[in-house]
Amino acid sequence: KQEVTQIPAALSVPEGENLVLNCSFTDSAIYNLQWFRQDPGKGLTSLLLIQSSQREQTSGRLNASLDKSSGRSTLYIAASQPGDSATYLCAVRGGTSYGKLTFGQGTILTVHP
Amino acid sequence: GAGVSQSPSNKVTEKGKDVELRCDPISGHTALYWYRQSLGQGLEFLIYFQGNSAPDKSGLPSDRFSAERTGGSVSTLTIQRTQQEDSAVYLCATSSGSGYNEQFFGPGTRLTVL
Repeated sequence: KQEVTQIPAALSVPEGENLVLNCSFTDSAIYNLQWFRQDPGKGLTSLLLIQSSQREQTSGRLNASLDKSSGRSTLYIAASQPGDSATYLCAVRGGTSYGKLTFGQGTILTVHP
Repeated sequence: GAGVSQSPSNKVTEKGKDVELRCDPISGHTALYWYRQSLGQGLEFLIYFQGNSAPDKSGLPSDRFSAERTGGSVSTLTIQRTQQEDSAVYLCATSSGSGYNEQFFGPGTRLTVL
């Protein structure tokens, strides 16, 4: 059974810092991996989708990497801003799972001015 | 529509009552998923639809839970004889094609069972 772990559970940083969120998964036979952010009381917003054949994806200040063989992904946020404060969720999609996502517990990020 | 919509946004019910939660997918998205987010369990998969068929119902926690999809569009999740442990946020997500593409989530329905 696939298990997804995110470290740290919570992170507080001053504005302007670069930061890294970590995600690990136990079964490396994934189809792709998706990073989301969730604001309090809201649904999930997709940030980046990395296919299993890719090593990284970039969108603006966000960069996600994937090392499928070691079961790890990182989300790098450059020059953090208070508006980045949210819960960040990592989710993996297995190759034979009809596309359903298995989620980590999330990292709660607070960026203070 | 422009995005996935869900209704109601909040639902408070008494233990033992039945509830229906609705999901309107992005137009043209054939794959539809229901997930549940609760404090103790995080985000868990419930059921997957491709068109009107549900090839994967493995996440439904009990036979009190059922779902249907009509016209390859709107889906309804029904919980019968609600229990307090059913209290959670129920999220719907849709994607194009077979479901292995990017999933887009609705805002969720917060269910509180008193």
